[in-house]
Amino acid sequence: GENVEQHPSTLSVQEGDSAVIKCTYSDSASNYFPWYKQELGKRPQLIIDIRSNVGEKKDQRIAVTLNKTAKHFSLHITETQPEDSAVYFCASTFYGGSQGNLIFGKGTKLSVKP
Amino acid sequence: NAGVMQNPRHLVRRRGQEARLRCSPMKGHSHVYWYRQLPEEGLKFMVYLQKENIIDESGMPKERFSAEFPKEGPSILRIQQVVRGDSAAYFCASSPPEGTGALNMAFFGQGTRLTVV
Repeated sequence: GENVEQHPSTLSVQEGDSAVIKCTYSDSASNYFPWYKQELGKRPQLIIDIRSNVGEKKDQRIAVTLNKTAKHFSLHITETQPEDSAVYFCASTFYGGSQGNLIFGKGTKLSVKP
Repeated sequence: NAGVMQNPRHLVRRRGQEARLRCSPMKGHSHVYWYRQLPEEGLKFMVYLQKENIIDESGMPKERFSAEFPKEGPSILRIQQVVRGDSAAYFCASSPPEGTGALNMAFFGQGTRLTVV
């Protein structure tokens, strides 16, 4: 079955620096790659997603890149702020004739130090 | 448009009791997913349902766990004869049906935190 590897498991950066989280997936049929942010005790919230027909997507300080050949995708957060501190999960799935379930990476705990 | 609603938010059960977790998807959504999250861990897929159908239950334990999504009413995740290892946060997510033109994004509920004592 599909497997998603996520690195690093923890990441500590200084406020204002950039943070990069990387994920690899195993199923070449996967075509949808969302990223979720989960604050302590709260629900995972979708922050950005990318489909396999594009290589990069940006939304203010957040960007996601996708390399289909290498089967990896990355989350980039620029000008980090303390409120970016959370656990980030990548996921992948295949949306085709019937929608499929998301397979998640194990998460990256991001700490932004003021 | 209310988001994905889960209840209860917190549930305490003694070993051997039954736990019933409810999930009402977002309005217009017909796909429901259940995930389990242990403390300090990621989200593990359990089951994917559409109305009156289980599409994929590959992540469900073979015994004691069952799920349904009836034609009317919320989706139910049922855990019989709970054990301490069932203690976790259980999240439900929903997404819109194929072909609606909406993005196929999954939105999560607030979760039910099950504690087995």
